[in-house]
Amino acid sequence: EDQVTQSPEALRLQEGESSSLNCSYTVSGLRGLFWYRQDPGKGPEFLFTLYSAGEEKEKERLKATLTKKESFLHITAPKPEDSATYLCAVQAQGGSEKLVFGKGTKLTVNP
Amino acid sequence: SAVISQKPSRDICQRGTSLTIQCQVDSQVTMMFWYRQQPGQSLTLIATANQGSEATYESGFVIDKFPISRPNLTFSTLTVSNMSPEDSSIYLCSVDRGVGEKLFFGSGTQLSVL
Repeated sequence: EDQVTQSPEALRLQEGESSSLNCSYTVSGLRGLFWYRQDPGKGPEFLFTLYSAGEEKEKERLKATLTKKESFLHITAPKPEDSATYLCAVQAQGGSEKLVFGKGTKLTVNP
Repeated sequence: SAVISQKPSRDICQRGTSLTIQCQVDSQVTMMFWYRQQPGQSLTLIATANQGSEATYESGFVIDKFPISRPNLTFSTLTVSNMSPEDSSIYLCSVDRGVGEKLFFGSGTQLSVL
């Protein structure tokens, strides 16, 4: 069964304090790994897609990386507006459009 | 990107009643997806809705409990039937707009069942 585990569950940072969020996955052939940001009371907002080990994507202060077993979301010099829950999801090969999500990491950045 | 309007945004319902959630997309899409997000849990796919065919339900979800309609390429509804407190959750509609960008979500419906 495809599984996604995110750690830590919650992370508090000071503004400017860089860190990383982890997403470990077990999937029967990876078709894609996805990162989302979710603000309270809103639906998840798409951030990145990664397809193969070694791939990296960047957007502003965020950089996502992928290995064969896990993905990291690196946050460089975060700002309070980066506070949100970050979700990781995987899609397995085989034709299904289903995404399997982790429970997320709730990030709080204090000014 | 896609603009997805979901209604209602929240509701409080009595046990045993049903609630229909509407999802409107600003452009035509082939597949629409309904997810559930229970407190402290992962987003879980309920079903995939294709226009002109029966929805495909994931394990643990059945049509009698979560009937879905997909009358055209821009609209879908999800009904939560015979509700119990265990159905209290956020229900999210989403669409897939193509390669490289995966799943755009509506803002969700926060459902509380008393």
